[in-house]
Amino acid sequence: DTGVSQDPRHKITKRGQNVTFRCDPISEHNRLYWYRQTLGQGPEFLTYFQNEAQLEKSRLLSDRFSAERPKGSFSTLEIQRTEQGDSAMYLCASSFGQGHGYTFGSGTRLTVV
Amino acid sequence: EDQVTQSPEALRLQEGESSSLNCSYTVSGLRGLFWYRQDPGKGPEFLFTLYSAGEEKEKERLKATLTKKESFLHITAPKPEDSATYLCAVQLNSGGSNYKLTFGKGTLLTVNP
Repeated sequence: DTGVSQDPRHKITKRGQNVTFRCDPISEHNRLYWYRQTLGQGPEFLTYFQNEAQLEKSRLLSDRFSAERPKGSFSTLEIQRTEQGDSAMYLCASSFGQGHGYTFGSGTRLTVV
Repeated sequence: EDQVTQSPEALRLQEGESSSLNCSYTVSGLRGLFWYRQDPGKGPEFLFTLYSAGEEKEKERLKATLTKKESFLHITAPKPEDSATYLCAVQLNSGGSNYKLTFGKGTLLTVNP
């Protein structure tokens, strides 16, 4: 399967704990994106990488959120001191160049209890 | 502020009953309009990209059209397997944000047998 892979698929954590999600994009895609989706809403942009450089972070990303893409390959999204409001589906997508449709992964469903 | 509005929020059809979903947008400098299908618990699946007014694209029972202010997704003789949430997203031409997608909230389509 050469699609976008996300791990884990589901994560339940207690409030205040740290969590980390991983995304493996399609290998020839140089652009990687993180989006967040809550129930009944469309995905919202969080951050964008071109190769290993993080070029934009949404104001939705508080300082508790950090994302990395070492060597322009896989990416991780870490949330520190989780809050109930962080409960959502976290989607990763990748693309090659601009003006092309993204390929999304299946997402990581985070539940903070 | 750039906006993407989808209507209706939910649509219930009988198998074989054709209909259309609407996506209206108020943005300055549209680069592309994207349609995605999303099944419960999964990431969005790319369907179409439209770039200019008058453009049309088709795939099986789906046909997407674009005007200067809105896009329609026409579903001809739908089947129960077409049941999903259909998401519309826009990508802008403007300088530094020409990679971001801004999504609408989606239309939940249910096709009854």
